[in-house]
Amino acid sequence: QQPVQSPQAVILREGEDAVINCSSSKALYSVHWYRQKHGEAPIFLMILLKGGEQKGHDKISASFNEKKQQSSLYLTASQLSYSGTYFCGTADDKIIFGKGTRLHILP
Amino acid sequence: GAGVSQSPSNKVTEKGKDVELRCDPISGHTALYWYRQRLGQGLEFLIYFQGNSAPDKSGLPSDRFSAERTGESVSTLTIQRTQQEDSAVYLCASSPGLAGANEQFFGPGTRLTVL
Repeated sequence: QQPVQSPQAVILREGEDAVINCSSSKALYSVHWYRQKHGEAPIFLMILLKGGEQKGHDKISASFNEKKQQSSLYLTASQLSYSGTYFCGTADDKIIFGKGTRLHILP
Repeated sequence: GAGVSQSPSNKVTEKGKDVELRCDPISGHTALYWYRQRLGQGLEFLIYFQGNSAPDKSGLPSDRFSAERTGESVSTLTIQRTQQEDSAVYLCASSPGLAGANEQFFGPGTRLTVL
């Protein structure tokens, strides 16, 4: 089953924060987050392997609530370079991606 | 080192023709995936190869689609009797181990246009 992402799209001003949510109807082994810029291939952001795990680099972090079968991606003090489409992927034996959240950062 | 490569980068074909898309994964990566991405849409899972196990073909949309992988190297995705709805970017990704625990490295994609 495909995970559900929300919101579908976000417009922010540079420096503002954003949260992107990902939920699944089935038990999750792990959650993956990728970002794709227009016309480019998706690039890896992070994997969360355990319930309760939180990770981050730079000002992008994520959490994984295994019991609720949810993950959230947090973008703090957004930069213009954060613009793109964010995909969560939920995995058991293979990775299924959500439909994506379009993030647009205005200067 | 070299990343995932795909060829051709662009393919224009006429409705009803067969096409073959190629993916060269990163050397040593046991897992290989094919995804389809229609314009402005998400990543649609097609097929997954893991080592020598039988591939997971559960995402292939019809029997016109098939894929092969030679050992842990090159993969080809074949679309027979192409239709206009097959127009999309076809992305290949590889990873060094089990799907759930490892980063996927994506190739640049093949843009397929069916006229």
